[in-house]
Amino acid sequence: EAAVTQSPRNKVTVTGGNVTLSCRQTNSHNYMYWYRQDTGHGLRLIHYSYGAGNLQIGDVPDGYKATRTTQEDFFLLLELASPSQTSLYFCASSEGGRYAEQFFGPGTRLTVL
Amino acid sequence: GDSVIQMQGQVTLSENDFLFINCTYSTTGYPTLFWYVQYSGEGPQLLLQVTTANNKGSSRGFEATYDKGTTSFHLQKTSVQEIDSAVYYCAMRVSGSFNKLTFGAGTRLAVCP
Repeated sequence: EAAVTQSPRNKVTVTGGNVTLSCRQTNSHNYMYWYRQDTGHGLRLIHYSYGAGNLQIGDVPDGYKATRTTQEDFFLLLELASPSQTSLYFCASSEGGRYAEQFFGPGTRLTVL
Repeated sequence: GDSVIQMQGQVTLSENDFLFINCTYSTTGYPTLFWYVQYSGEGPQLLLQVTTANNKGSSRGFEATYDKGTTSFHLQKTSVQEIDSAVYYCAMRVSGSFNKLTFGAGTRLAVCP
């Protein structure tokens, strides 16, 4: 079964701060995703990747950068954090294919004061 | 662009009640439809997928149906239990979209004993 881990699990920073969220998957999936979850909006895709060095822009990319350093590791960077980025962030991974299931990590709760 | 509309933000039922959650979708592409479930404190997980071949899917007592004519898909369960309390998300993948999923806003189901 796919294993997706995220760190940190909780993070508090101040406006203008620099934050990196980490995600690692150990099931050799090619695809990885970063979502944010907010009440009333569900899950919204920030960035995604289909392999090391690849990056695709999602639906809500403003204020976020991402890097895929290896097949296992995907990072989300907030270089000038703002209160509007306070949210619950999920990482996910999947194989390719029309019916491929996405496997989610446990989430990182980020608070920007 | 592609969109998924899930209008029911909160549903409260008693045990053994019938559950029905509706989603509508909009896309110019060829969709594959999913239902994900998120239990408290966890990341979302796949509940079931709806294959357009037979317009149905089922898992753990839940059934999903799909109506291409009205571009809608539904999740239902005949008799809910307290352990079914969770947030349910409908989601859509469009062919040629790099495995990208578009999620609805989510329906929080509370089942009272």
